[in-house]
Amino acid sequence: DAMVIQNPRYQVTQFGKPVTLSCSQTLNHNVMYWYQQKSSQAPKLLFHYYDKDFNNEADTPDNFQSRRPNTSFCFLDIRSPGLGDAAMYLCATSGLAAYNEQFFGPGTRLTVL
Amino acid sequence: AQRVTQPEKLLSVFKGAPVELKCNYSYSGSPELFWYVQYSRQRLQLLLRHISRESIKGFTADLNKGETSFHLKKPFAQEEDSAMYYCALSKDNAGNMLTFGGGTRLMVKP
Repeated sequence: DAMVIQNPRYQVTQFGKPVTLSCSQTLNHNVMYWYQQKSSQAPKLLFHYYDKDFNNEADTPDNFQSRRPNTSFCFLDIRSPGLGDAAMYLCATSGLAAYNEQFFGPGTRLTVL
Repeated sequence: AQRVTQPEKLLSVFKGAPVELKCNYSYSGSPELFWYVQYSRQRLQLLLRHISRESIKGFTADLNKGETSFHLKKPFAQEEDSAMYYCALSKDNAGNMLTFGGGTRLMVKP
């Protein structure tokens, strides 16, 4: 089935140790998103790509970076994770037509020790 | 800045009862609104969008610009409706750049 895949599903890292989360899609969608969802809170958009064009939300910390080497893959890099970065990270994709549905991955739960 | 508010964290109803999940928004432009749902152990997925005027799984939502609301309604709740529901606002008509509300957990009791 065409879908959005996130690896790993669970990631444990140490305070300050860089970590990379991975997202891939078989939908051939132009747009890819990263959301952060802390416990009992709304998903919060961190950034998104229109094809190779990177769009950062104004309040996304510099500690968070992203790479999209090709249409299928997108990575979220956290350069120096803090305890406050522990959260579920959701990847999503969508096409370019109007009123698009976003297709979400299962998420990666990040724990920072 | 845009904001989406879902005032109820938890809504518990009995099977067959009507359901209304509240959503209020603030946005200076003309928003596009969506409801997303997450069933237990499943990923977040679109339930319905304002522009489509659709009814999905018996749910409908009407945009009230005067009250800046987009409440989700179903006349008769089913147990399989139990899930987490998120109202979301898009700043553009492509459905991108979603701002989500905090979510409401709906529990439908037998």
